[in-house]
Amino acid sequence: DTEVTQTPKHLVMGMTNKKSLKCEQHMGHRAMYWYKQKAKKPPELMFVYSYEKLSINESVPSRFSPECPNSSLLNLHLHALQPEDSALYLCASSQDPGGGRAYNEQFFGPGTRLTVL
Amino acid sequence: QKEVEQNSGPLSVPEGAIASLNCTYSDRGSQSFFWYRQYSGKSPELIMSIYSNGDKEDGRFTAQLNKASQYVSLLIRDSQPSDSATYLCAVFRAGNNRKLIWGLGTSLAVNP
Repeated sequence: DTEVTQTPKHLVMGMTNKKSLKCEQHMGHRAMYWYKQKAKKPPELMFVYSYEKLSINESVPSRFSPECPNSSLLNLHLHALQPEDSALYLCASSQDPGGGRAYNEQFFGPGTRLTVL
Repeated sequence: QKEVEQNSGPLSVPEGAIASLNCTYSDRGSQSFFWYRQYSGKSPELIMSIYSNGDKEDGRFTAQLNKASQYVSLLIRDSQPSDSATYLCAVFRAGNNRKLIWGLGTSLAVNP
């Protein structure tokens, strides 16, 4: 079952709110990713967790805070966002964080459409 | 020079025709190559991965890789209106900062 789930599907928040995005996979994958995607642009990597440890932070502002409670779950905590942070936030997972060819196939969840007012 | 380049399109083909999508990359050491399909408002869906020179076929899709020329292509045979989407080429960059490097995508329109 190549499925990654994300909640919520849509989120509208004010600049002073605190919210969280959630992601879950049950494929036994050991790498999980957060991406941000703006319209007509490719996904932009934000964070990578490898074996539940943060391995890559692409210089993301601290108003985005990732968390990996266990190997199946990934959260993205949001605080004091700006309107320009409005985007589609995608979670993905892969078997192995760079260990070999096929293990780098990344499978995406449906995304959370975030609007910051 | 961008690391991964694609023609932005739109590429327009009639229903039943072959759609050919191309991608070039700059890192000669790249080993893993992926094609994703993305419908408007939806998330990317992995449709093909290829690691060795030559062709790889899966249903109506064929991925072609030529490492010497540093290009990878996707052929869609018997194109259907449901194939209308943006196709993203992604190349895995190994090393310390391992990640997928994405092209900007090619928009494909299949006309009935």
